[in-house]
Amino acid sequence: DIQLTQSPSFLSASVGDRVTITCRASQGISSYLAWYQQKPGKAPKLLIYAASTLQSGVPSRFSGSGSGTEFTLTISSLQPEDFATYYCQQLNSYPPTFGQGTKLEIK
Amino acid sequence: QVQLVQSGAEVKKPGSSVKVSCKASGGTFSSYTISWVRQAPGQGLEWMGRIIPILGIANYAQKFQGRVTITADKSTSTAYMELSSLRSEDTAVYYCARVPSLDMRGDAFDIWGQGTMVTVSS
Repeated sequence: DIQLTQSPSFLSASVGDRVTITCRASQGISSYLAWYQQKPGKAPKLLIYAASTLQSGVPSRFSGSGSGTEFTLTISSLQPEDFATYYCQQLNSYPPTFGQGTKLEIK
Repeated sequence: QVQLVQSGAEVKKPGSSVKVSCKASGGTFSSYTISWVRQAPGQGLEWMGRIIPILGIANYAQKFQGRVTITADKSTSTAYMELSSLRSEDTAVYYCARVPSLDMRGDAFDIWGQGTMVTVSS
């Protein structure tokens, strides 16, 4: 199975900050990577797929980049509703695995 | 807009089975795949398996092979996940999620059910 490692696991930031989360794959996955946001008690929400394509309805302050084994999710200016846990997921091959998550907290 | 609506919370005894449903409301399965993902309390996301409803073909994660069965009823646009030989470690929220194509590459899990809490306790 392909392993995904996110860094950092925890991130403390303030409203208005620019933050970046990294996801590294144990082997090349082309651009077949998605990012999800999850709030407590809720299902994950798709933010970005194919590494850099913004899902319909997702604010443009979210962006993704990367290919191969290294990917990033960037939030350009944090809003109060962005404090949540973020997961990357590879869809290059079965099983589609997830990173361990990055919890974004208010500083 | 399609929504995935799951069945309610379950409490089960160790060694028993649970069957969770996932109904596509506002649409049909069409050319989609439905995956099942679980999340133990305070933990991350774990993919269990998927089904292509129009073909009835299912694939499972090796970890759950032999214990999980995923099926679909096209007439009611409902997918099911049955997990057997339950143990306490199976206590988790179980989600269904849609990939809007038959090939997940280039796509993602765009619609999720609300989740079903399954508690395994004696």
